[in-house]
Amino acid sequence: DTGVSQDPRHKITKRGQNVTFRCDPISEHNRLYWYRQTLGQGPEFLTYFQNEAQLEKSRLLSDRFSAERPKGSFSTLEIQRTEQGDSAMYLCASSAAAGYPREKLFFGSGTQLSVL
Amino acid sequence: KQEVTQIPAALSVPEGENLVLNCSFTDSAIYNLQWFRQDPGKGLTSLLLIQSSQREQTSGRLNASLDKSSGRSTLYIAASQPGDSATYLCAVSVVQGAQKLVFGQGTRLTINP
Repeated sequence: DTGVSQDPRHKITKRGQNVTFRCDPISEHNRLYWYRQTLGQGPEFLTYFQNEAQLEKSRLLSDRFSAERPKGSFSTLEIQRTEQGDSAMYLCASSAAAGYPREKLFFGSGTQLSVL
Repeated sequence: KQEVTQIPAALSVPEGENLVLNCSFTDSAIYNLQWFRQDPGKGLTSLLLIQSSQREQTSGRLNASLDKSSGRSTLYIAASQPGDSATYLCAVSVVQGAQKLVFGQGTRLTINP
């Protein structure tokens, strides 16, 4: 399967712990996006990368959140000092930037985070 | 601030019926509009993308329309099947050059055999 891969699928943690998620995009895609989705809501934009450069961050991404994409390949999203309000599905998507606005996003299956 | 609303929140219809899902957005300054499908506990699958200069897009039994001036889009599903059961999400792109999307809350569709 050459789709977008996210790891882990599920993460349960205690409040105050740090967690890190990984996203492996489709190999030829140079753009990578992170979204967050809470139950019953649509996804909300968090941040995106073009190659290794992080081009935009949402105000939702507090200083406890950090995302990286070293070498423009996989990406990690770290949450420090987790809070119960961080509980959500974290979705990664990738795309080929060429051809915007026809740019099509390919989403992974997400990482479901539960903070106890 | 762009807001996207989808009505109805849930819809249940018998198999074989044609149906329409609605999406409205508050700011007409969009670059494209997309419809996605999401199965329970899964990620999103892109169904149709309409550029801001276009009026509609079709893929198989799906047809999406866009009326930017009125801030509305519809997704038409013909001859519905049980496999169409899922949540359908509408999203608009609010930044030129990137898919920074604002999503609606979705319509949960159930097709009854």
